[in-house]
Amino acid sequence: QVQLVQSGAEVRQPGASVKVSCKTSGFTFTAFYIHWVRQAPGQGLEWMGRIDPNSGAPNYAQQFQGRVTLTRDTSINTAFMELNTLTSDDTAVYFCARLNDTLALFDSWGQGTVVTVSS
Amino acid sequence: FLLTQPHSVSESPGKTVTISCTRSGGRITRAYVQWFQQRPGTSPITVIYHDNQRPSGVPDRFSGSIDGTSNSAYLTISGLKTEDEADYYCQSHDSSPHWVFGGGTTLTVL
Repeated sequence: QVQLVQSGAEVRQPGASVKVSCKTSGFTFTAFYIHWVRQAPGQGLEWMGRIDPNSGAPNYAQQFQGRVTLTRDTSINTAFMELNTLTSDDTAVYFCARLNDTLALFDSWGQGTVVTVSS
Repeated sequence: FLLTQPHSVSESPGKTVTISCTRSGGRITRAYVQWFQQRPGTSPITVIYHDNQRPSGVPDRFSGSIDGTSNSAYLTISGLKTEDEADYYCQSHDSSPHWVFGGGTTLTVL
């Protein structure tokens, strides 16, 4: 079955970086875009960007341009999201999600990774 | 572009509720709309995609529609159950590509 399993919770100081992984299984990794979405405590969902695992080409939400990097490693079917220059506003749960492009359907999500930014 | 939802709605069990999602900055018909249900502490799940399609496993009490006149998408839940209590988000995108979520609507079934 399709699975997206994310790395564990992280705590970082302001100004640091964090890299979250999203290990996939149960499908052809290079055939589906992987999107990243975050949710601050008590807030709504916010789209961060997506990556085409086939080409490695990313697209970023404007508000994260220059601060986020999406990559993938096709040898281990894993996508990565790295966010730099962290502030307390980046404290959130970070999700990866698979997009079924044909159906325009997010059909599988990771369990979420809690990132806490605190001094 | 933006997607605007009501902050909260409430209705009694067995009744019907409709949640709106209004697009500003482009036509609602420009791209498909998805609706997500999210219960506290869990990942979102899709309840409607392609404006009005239900993924397998989603009850037919959930339906989606689009209205070009109001430039809005709607999620309707009929025969409300207490288990429907959750946050609901609409989402769409443009050709940039840029994906946008609505601010979310908290549904209370009381």
